[in-house]
Amino acid sequence: AQSVTQPDIHITVSEGASLELRCNYSYGATPYLFWYVQSPGQGLQLLLKYFSGDTLVQGIKGFEAEFKRSQSSFNLRKPSVHWSDAAEYFCAVGKSGGYQKVTFGTGTKLQVIP
Amino acid sequence: EAGVAQSPRYKIIEKRQSVAFWCNPISGHATLYWYQQILGQGPKLLIQFQNNGVVDDSQLPKDRFSAERLKGVDSTLKIQPAKLEDSAVYLCASSLDVVSSYEQYFGPGTRLTVT
Repeated sequence: AQSVTQPDIHITVSEGASLELRCNYSYGATPYLFWYVQSPGQGLQLLLKYFSGDTLVQGIKGFEAEFKRSQSSFNLRKPSVHWSDAAEYFCAVGKSGGYQKVTFGTGTKLQVIP
Repeated sequence: EAGVAQSPRYKIIEKRQSVAFWCNPISGHATLYWYQQILGQGPKLLIQFQNNGVVDDSQLPKDRFSAERLKGVDSTLKIQPAKLEDSAVYLCASSLDVVSSYEQYFGPGTRLTVT
């Protein structure tokens, strides 16, 4: 069965600093990988996704993520964090081919301090 | 383009009572999902519809939860009777179809508190 681990429950960064949120997945074949963001009181919004090809994926709002098969990781990065990036971030994995079902991680809450 | 609509946004009930949530997906989206998000956890898929048929309800507690999408558009999720552990945010999402299910659009959710 597919699964996702987000080891950091809560992260605090200063505005303007760089950000990296960790995500490790477990899946037997090549996975489909995603990052979603959830602002307070809002639903989830897709930031970016990886299906195949270039392992460095660009998303919305200046985010990027890198798929590393050897480390079973798909970490999310942003070079300079803005106060509006404060939210909860979820990594998710789906299986490639066949019925599409997405499994979410437990989330990382990002706090941005001025 | 209007997003996924959900109502109510908040609901407080006592245990053993019944509750229903409503979801209206984005127009033209064939696939509709209900997720349960317990505080501190990621969303967990309860049920997935393709038009008005069920694709996956393997994680739906069928002794107390039910869902329907009769006309292949909007959907209702019901809990009867509710337990304390049902306190969560219930998210509805939709996508064009099962193949593009990764492009899911989420509603704002309904926060349920069971006392």
